[in-house]
Amino acid sequence: QKEVEQNSGPLSVPEGAIASLNCTYSDRGSQSFFWYRQYSGKSPELIMSIYSNGDKEDGRFTAQLNKASQYVSLLIRDSQPSDSATYLCAGVSGNTPLVFGKGTRLSVIA
Amino acid sequence: DAGVIQSPRHEVTEMGQEVTLRCKPISGHDYLFWYRQTMMRGLELLIYFNNNVPIDDSGMPEDRFSAKMPNASFSTLKIQPSEPRDSAVYFCASSPTGGITQYFGPGTRLTVL
Repeated sequence: QKEVEQNSGPLSVPEGAIASLNCTYSDRGSQSFFWYRQYSGKSPELIMSIYSNGDKEDGRFTAQLNKASQYVSLLIRDSQPSDSATYLCAGVSGNTPLVFGKGTRLSVIA
Repeated sequence: DAGVIQSPRHEVTEMGQEVTLRCKPISGHDYLFWYRQTMMRGLELLIYFNNNVPIDDSGMPEDRFSAKMPNASFSTLKIQPSEPRDSAVYFCASSPTGGITQYFGPGTRLTVL
């Protein structure tokens, strides 16, 4: 069974620090990975996607993928209180739909 | 552009009643997904459609759940009869790219008393 595992948190970081969110997956065939952000009471929104090993940067966000270790991470630099949300990791292989982790709750303390 | 539209946004019903949730995907998107989200189980895929055809309904918990997509711009998820354990937030999402990049609707918060 394909699984995506995340630490549920909460992960608390002070404002301005780097927040590191981690995700592991069981399906070695997974090819693409996504990070969704979900504010309390809202729907998930896509913030990052990564398809190849290494780092991908977008503003304050960096996604990292290591397929050999089956590990995906999201780094948020200069964390802001507005980054406080639940972050969902998702992976996909072949024609199967996304498999989501249960999410990590991030709290940025001002 | 309008995003994914869901209705109602909130539904409170009594056990045993029929519940119908509605979704209008983003125009031009070929894939439509129904999810259920709870604190305990996270985001669970219930069923998804490609070009209005159900592809995988293995996530539908019981025969009490059914979903239809009569045309490219409308889908329903029906629970009959409803039970308290069905209480959750139900999301609809659509995708243009083989079901990979998904855009979520605002969700329907269902409470079954």
